[in-house]
Amino acid sequence: AIQLTQSPSSLSASVGDRVTITCRTSQGFSSALAWYQQKPGKAPKLLIYDTSTLETGVPSRFSGSASGTDFALTISGLQPEDSATYYCHQFTGYPHFGPGTKVDLK
Amino acid sequence: VQLVESGGGLVQPGGSLRLSCAASGFTVSSYYMRWVRQAPGKGLEWVSVIYGDGRTYYTESVKDRFTISRDNSKNTVYLQMNSLRLEDTALYYCARDKSARGDAFDVWGQGTLVTVSS
Repeated sequence: AIQLTQSPSSLSASVGDRVTITCRTSQGFSSALAWYQQKPGKAPKLLIYDTSTLETGVPSRFSGSASGTDFALTISGLQPEDSATYYCHQFTGYPHFGPGTKVDLK
Repeated sequence: VQLVESGGGLVQPGGSLRLSCAASGFTVSSYYMRWVRQAPGKGLEWVSVIYGDGRTYYTESVKDRFTISRDNSKNTVYLQMNSLRLEDTALYYCARDKSARGDAFDVWGQGTLVTVSS
């Protein structure tokens, strides 16, 4: 079965830091990828789609990129409200989600 | 643009529930509409989809037990869940497929909790 892996599984960073989360597919699919932010008790929120397109209303400090089959979500200048769990998502036959990366503030 | 789920609750193994997802601000029949679930403390898992033309698909673990449907007059999507198992316990979200490719869900409901327990 196809799997998405995310690294790290969790991280702690300071306000203003540049944070990068990576997502890799187990079978090397390079099709479009999305990123979501989920805060406790809330539904996921779409941040990035088509690998690097910012969803309307999402702050520009969020960005997405890819290098082959490795995908990345970067937060340039971490803010307190960015404390959340982040999931990657790719369609390969059916929708697959990564296991999530929990981002905490130091 | 909003989705509101309802219908969750506590049910015994083998029981049934019907979840509803009422949409406002857009027409559900114009989009692929999906159900995604999240077990307590776990990640996201796609469950089912209904296309604009009515075709339906399911993740393997719920095939032959769950049925997704749509009532265009009520602008509502449903998930009929039969033969429920302990492992179906989760928060069930309804989501709109932004791209019709299954790779970006841009509108989510608040979720409805399904607990399967004896």
